[in-house]
Amino acid sequence: KQEVTQIPAALSVPEGENLVLNCSFTDSAIYNLQWFRQDPGKGLTSLLLIQSSQREQTSGRLNASLDKSSGRSTLYIAASQPGDSATYLCAVYAGGTSYGKLTFGQGTILTVHP
Amino acid sequence: DADVTQTPRNRITKTGKRIMLECSQTKGHDRMYWYRQDPGLGLRLIYYSFDVKDINKGEISDGYSVSRQAQAKFSLSLESAIPNQTALYFCATSDRGSGSPAKTQYFGPGTRLLVL
Repeated sequence: KQEVTQIPAALSVPEGENLVLNCSFTDSAIYNLQWFRQDPGKGLTSLLLIQSSQREQTSGRLNASLDKSSGRSTLYIAASQPGDSATYLCAVYAGGTSYGKLTFGQGTILTVHP
Repeated sequence: DADVTQTPRNRITKTGKRIMLECSQTKGHDRMYWYRQDPGLGLRLIYYSFDVKDINKGEISDGYSVSRQAQAKFSLSLESAIPNQTALYFCATSDRGSGSPAKTQYFGPGTRLLVL
């Protein structure tokens, strides 16, 4: 059974700092990995999707990397802003009997203070 | 995402009551999903449907049932609600994968359910 773990559970940083969120998964047989952002009272917004054949994806100040063989992904946020405060979720699409389903980590709660 | 709507947004009910949560989408996607989110546990899949005639159980389907009334509508029912079904429920959709499931999922705003 695929398990996804995110570290740290919570992170508080001053504005302007660069930061890294970590995600690990137990079964490396994945199709892709996706990072989401969740704001209070709202649904999840997809930030980046990395195919299993890719090493990284970038969107603006966000960069996500994937090391499939070691079961790890990181989300790098450059020059953090208060508007980045949210919960960040990592999820993997697995194959085999889990075909077509996402398995989520517990999330990292990020607070960026001015 | 306004393309995926959920009703109601908030619901309080009592133990033993039957309730239905509804999801509608205008994205034209074939695939729809129901998740629940509990503090510290992330999102867990309850049921998913790859098309109108295809319904599959997720990892925590006990106590729930679903109905795919049309491509655009996917309802989740709690036949006899219990307090540990108190959670935040999300509906999601995705496009059909071309030989793989590797498509972005789009989420509704969630339904906050409290079972007393």
